[in-house]
Amino acid sequence: DAGVIQSPRHEVTEMGQEVTLRCKPISGHDYLFWYRQTMMRGLELLIYFNNNVPIDDSGMPEDRFSAKMPNASFSTLKIQPSEPRDSAVYFCASSFGLDNEQFFGPGTRLTVL
Amino acid sequence: DAKTTQPPSMDCAEGRAANLPCNHSTISGNEYVYWYRQIHSQGPQYIIHGLKNNETNEMASLIITEDRKSSTLILPHATLRDTAVYYCIVRVPGAQKLVFGQGTRLTINP
Repeated sequence: DAGVIQSPRHEVTEMGQEVTLRCKPISGHDYLFWYRQTMMRGLELLIYFNNNVPIDDSGMPEDRFSAKMPNASFSTLKIQPSEPRDSAVYFCASSFGLDNEQFFGPGTRLTVL
Repeated sequence: DAKTTQPPSMDCAEGRAANLPCNHSTISGNEYVYWYRQIHSQGPQYIIHGLKNNETNEMASLIITEDRKSSTLILPHATLRDTAVYYCIVRVPGAQKLVFGQGTRLTINP
């Protein structure tokens, strides 16, 4: 298995633009997680899905952020409009079962100018 | 979830055992101890977890004190590739989140 796949690996955009981050979880995993990592706040859970259904989105910072999982093999995290303070590395992770090992993707480094 | 306390940084010589401590004095009876690590520019990687018995796998050993208020992650023969930030996390199975603190930045020196 190729592991968790994220795209793009790097994204540079201007303030106000829409940004879409993509994730393909490991086949067979039923949980998918989106995290954000910054120097100031460390690694934070934004939202997670179980069987494509959002379970907890309490970590989503504000309405500018939205996440979807239309099927078991694909999820998106969208920021609209983007702001400089959204600059961070965004990780997607998946697991089989909530309590089992989470496998993380390589991350998307987002820079909002 | 209970808070954990870890030293911000540690050094270890290559080939020696690296012992990373974690305090979790307010841990409750049904909370497990998890360890993840994050190598520079990569996503976090699971290492090991346990409840109260010592655990060992191909990567590391986890020693949990009898009162469960602290634990130690042991990398038996550290290599340069073990240089990373190590996170100790306590959570109840079925809990919603892995809460990553600041971790310990472990540097393995040649």
